[in-house]
Amino acid sequence: QVQLVESGGGVVQPGRSLRLSCAASGFTFSSNAIHWVRQAPGKGLEWVAVISYDGSNKYYADSVKGRFTISRDNSKNTLYLQMNSLRAEDTAVYSCARDLVSYYYVYAFDIWGQGTKVTVSS
Amino acid sequence: QSALTQPASVSGSPGQSITISCTGTSSDVGSYNLVSWYQQHPGKAPKLMIYEVTKRPSGISNRFSASKSGNTASLTISGLQGEDEADYYCCSYAGSTTVIFGGGTKLTVL
Repeated sequence: QVQLVESGGGVVQPGRSLRLSCAASGFTFSSNAIHWVRQAPGKGLEWVAVISYDGSNKYYADSVKGRFTISRDNSKNTLYLQMNSLRAEDTAVYSCARDLVSYYYVYAFDIWGQGTKVTVSS
Repeated sequence: QSALTQPASVSGSPGQSITISCTGTSSDVGSYNLVSWYQQHPGKAPKLMIYEVTKRPSGISNRFSASKSGNTASLTISGLQGEDEADYYCCSYAGSTTVIFGGGTKLTVL
């Protein structure tokens, strides 16, 4: 079964850190770029970051640049998002999503996880 | 960058066709054929409906079609069915390896 499963969300105080994980199964994880996308409560989708299939290239939305770090361990079929200096506006459900085409970016997300909820509040 | 502009809501009766617009700029929608569309039911993960402006992934009904003209992309759903009631989001590559989504459109099937 092709799937992505996120974990690591929770309630955290402003300024603190959190690390999210995304475990992949049912497909060759090391062949595709993977993205993080978030959705604030009652709001639309916001792209957060992408990492290339081999982890050599990483790109971020301006809203998280310098605070968030995306990484992957292809030997463990797992994607990560290290979130530092968290702000109230980072409160959202964070989902990982696979880029459709192997070894390339078409910025179309064909497999999504169910998401993990992050709440930043004092 | 601002979100792509979508109507907040659209509605239609079963069997009818509706079109959802997605307006960007010459820096995103207008410059790249990398527009995708997603359907999201409440509490569910988004589902890819269209990629690269007009292409349907395997398993997506041909009732869903899409196009682009200038800085505006459009999603058309024909033969509306109750199960089509959902939120729809457009998405575009915006250069410099960044991605931008639309604000979302709530489709109501009357």
